[in-house]
Formats: sequence, structure tokens, C-alpha cells
Amino acid sequence: DIQLTQSPSFLSASVGDRVTITCRASQGISSYLAWYQQKPGKAPKLLIYAASTLQSGVPSRFSGSGSGTEFTLTISSLQPEDFATYYCQQLNSYPPTFGQGTKVEIK
Amino acid sequence: QVTLRESGPALVKPTQTLTLTCTFSGFSLSTSGMCVSWIRQPPGKALEWLALIDWDDDKYYSTSLKTRLTISKDTSKNQVVLTMTNMDPVDTATYYCARKGVVRDAFDIWGQGTMVTVSS
Repeated sequence: DIQLTQSPSFLSASVGDRVTITCRASQGISSYLAWYQQKPGKAPKLLIYAASTLQSGVPSRFSGSGSGTEFTLTISSLQPEDFATYYCQQLNSYPPTFGQGTKVEIK
Repeated sequence: QVTLRESGPALVKPTQTLTLTCTFSGFSLSTSGMCVSWIRQPPGKALEWLALIDWDDDKYYSTSLKTRLTISKDTSKNQVVLTMTNMDPVDTATYYCARKGVVRDAFDIWGQGTMVTVSS
């Protein structure tokens, strides 16, 4: 199975901050990577697919980049509604594994 | 509008078999490229992918759980069913179903999830 490692696991930031989350794959996955946002008690929400394509309706302050084994999710200016847990997922091969999550909290 | 809804028992006993149903609307699982997957999340923990079935009835399972899982579909009823045998307290989790559509290589629509507790 392909392992995904997210860093950091926990992030404390202020409104307006630029935030970057990294996802590293144990082997190359081309651009078959998605990012999800999950708020407490809610289902995950797709933010980005194909490493850098913004899902319809997602604010443009979210962006993704990378290919191969290293990927990043960037929030250009953190908003109050962005405090949540973020997961990456690889869809290059089965099983489509998830990262362990990055919790973004208010500083 | 695409929606998915999970249903099943809230409580199961250890060693029992869990059967969950995902009922969906707004798309057809007979459309080429369409898939439905199950994912779970123990309380306070990360997402764990379980199984997927595609339009062509191909099935894929978690490496660690494949001996306990069976996924099936009823296209006429717009349902996908997951069974998990030999339930254990560590299987206590919220179970989600999600669609993997044709255009986006990702799980673009999720159900609200159903919490399953395993306890005697």
C-alpha cells in the first residue's frame, strides 16, 4: 500500500495567515492526489483533485501543487471558517489511502 | 442533485456481522466510470478507506480488512451494500459512503455518515 505522511499533524495559526500543509507519498503517484477538509461532526469535503485543480465552489484562497511524491495544500489567507482538519488522499493505485490528517486550530 | 445516505444499525455486538446500505440519487452506478466507496473514521482518528465498487462491478478492498469485507450493488435500487464480518470494538466508527465520479478522480460527494458502536 502507498503510505501518505502529512506534516505538520497540528498547526496553530491566526486569521489572515498563510498556511501550508505537506503530503508525502511513499512512492510516486503522479498527480493523483486529492485534498479534503473536515469540520467536527461533518463529512469530509473535497477541496482539490488532480493535485492542483480546485473543486467547484471552493474559494480561490485554497491551492494545491506538487507531483510525484511531494504535495502541498496552501491557504493564502486563513479565514475563520477554515479551521478544520485537512486530509490528503492518493488515487494512483488501490487501495486509495489517506494521510493521517492535519488539524488547523486558532492561535 | 447528487446525494448519498448511509443506513444500518447503530449498535452491533462483538463477532456479529455489520450490514450497511448506501442509498444514492442524482447519478447512476451503471454510468461508465462511476464508483461508490466506503470509508470509516473511528472517534478522534483519521479516515480509513474500506472498499469500492465500480460501474462494471469490479470490487476493491482494504488490504488489512479484505477478508472481512464484501461490497455489492443493486443498480435498480440505487444502493451499495457493505458487509463486515466478525465485528470488534475497534471497528467502532462513523462509516461514510462516497461517490467517485467520472470527471474528478476523487471522492466528490459524501454521505453524512452513520455511527456504529460495537459493544456487548
